[in-house]
Amino acid sequence: KAGVTQTPRYLIKTRGQQVTLSCSPISGHRSVSWYQQTPGQGLQFLFEYFSETQRNKGNFPGRFSGRQFSNSRSEMNVSTLELGDSALYLCASSRLALKNTEAFFGQGTRLTVV
Amino acid sequence: KNEVEQSPQNLTAQEGEFITINCSYSVGISALHWLQQHPGGGIVSLFMLSSGKKKHGRLIATINIQEKHSSLHITASHPRDSAVYICAVMYSGGGADGLTFGKGTHLIIQP
Repeated sequence: KAGVTQTPRYLIKTRGQQVTLSCSPISGHRSVSWYQQTPGQGLQFLFEYFSETQRNKGNFPGRFSGRQFSNSRSEMNVSTLELGDSALYLCASSRLALKNTEAFFGQGTRLTVV
Repeated sequence: KNEVEQSPQNLTAQEGEFITINCSYSVGISALHWLQQHPGGGIVSLFMLSSGKKKHGRLIATINIQEKHSSLHITASHPRDSAVYICAVMYSGGGADGLTFGKGTHLIIQP
């Protein structure tokens, strides 16, 4: 059974650009959640999608957005990139909504903003 | 602000030692997760707990709901257990309803 796949693994972008990250969940999983990890702040919750609907959102500016498709694949978009957006972005998939079941994490996308 | 506190932040031990990592949280939760992160970033889910105790191989996780405290134990530790161990909770009411994470415990097991 394939795990959670995130693409790309590494990305370098310039300040002001936008970026789209992709997450393919484990087959049959309906929830995808996104996280940002930085040395200073650690892991922080961004948002969760369940059956194509955003269930909840962490404390991040509106430049961070996401969506989920009918096949449960999810994308995360960050517009007008800032240097502080440099981080490891992780997604996790769950069979049910995140609060009710175990989460399986992808390897992450390491984003560097220059 | 609902926080998750982990201790110790750093732990170095000899192979074979019994390891305990602690996690405390501030308000009621619906579930607590223990995660393992190796260099390179990948995260592995070790346990999800809402009560009691779970065991998987050499790993044991316990939770005390009344005391708002959980522990992760590693028996017969091995150098391959070296990693960052992260506690995360799902708060049961209010807030963003996503996972809230501790800062992690950096564990090094020396041969």
